[in-house]
Amino acid sequence: GEDVEQSLFLSVREGDSSVINCTYTDSSSTYLYWYKQEPGAGLQLLTYIFSNMDMKQDQRLTVLLNKKDKHLSLRIADTQTGDSAIYFCAETPGSGGYQKVTFGTGTKLQVIP
Amino acid sequence: DAGITQSPRHKVTETGTPVTLRCHQTENHRYMYWYRQDPGHGLRLIHYSYGVKDTDKGEVSDGYSVSRSKTEDFLLTLESATSSQTSVYFCAISERGDTQYFGPGTRLTVL
Repeated sequence: GEDVEQSLFLSVREGDSSVINCTYTDSSSTYLYWYKQEPGAGLQLLTYIFSNMDMKQDQRLTVLLNKKDKHLSLRIADTQTGDSAIYFCAETPGSGGYQKVTFGTGTKLQVIP
Repeated sequence: DAGITQSPRHKVTETGTPVTLRCHQTENHRYMYWYRQDPGHGLRLIHYSYGVKDTDKGEVSDGYSVSRSKTEDFLLTLESATSSQTSVYFCAISERGDTQYFGPGTRLTVL
């Protein structure tokens, strides 16, 4: 079945860039997502990229997609302490009608002041 | 933020008792989902709904039932709670069945 893999932990200094990586197995992925979860809260949709795109930028966030290698990354520029959270990568194979969304197990980002 | 509320936000109950969790949305989205989140397992889909009175099982549906009598409400029932159902439960909604938006979660402890 589909699988989404992420590293468990990343530590960066405040002001540096963070890069969180994700690999997936489903070659028919249509949408790929990044969610952020702060302690005691639900998952907040940060951004998503459609499979026919290579890059998407949204303020401090840059998403890169390498379809050949099935690799997705999230770069956070000028990382702040408020960015400390768990980041989940997710993918879905299609659009319209019910689509199974497969989530990674999350990467915990620690920002050191 | 998507208009999704979950109630209760925290609950402690005893083994063998029935428990109902409620998800309420104000977005008029067609699809609604229940997930559980556990350390080491990530998010796992319990049940989902694709319309009023239309529901289907997810990957971990044993011991859970759901009902959706109105577009805005999706109920998750544990008929007889067990300690293995101690978890954080999240509701999610989707307009088209792909991109999902999550509620704040319910922390359930079964003693």
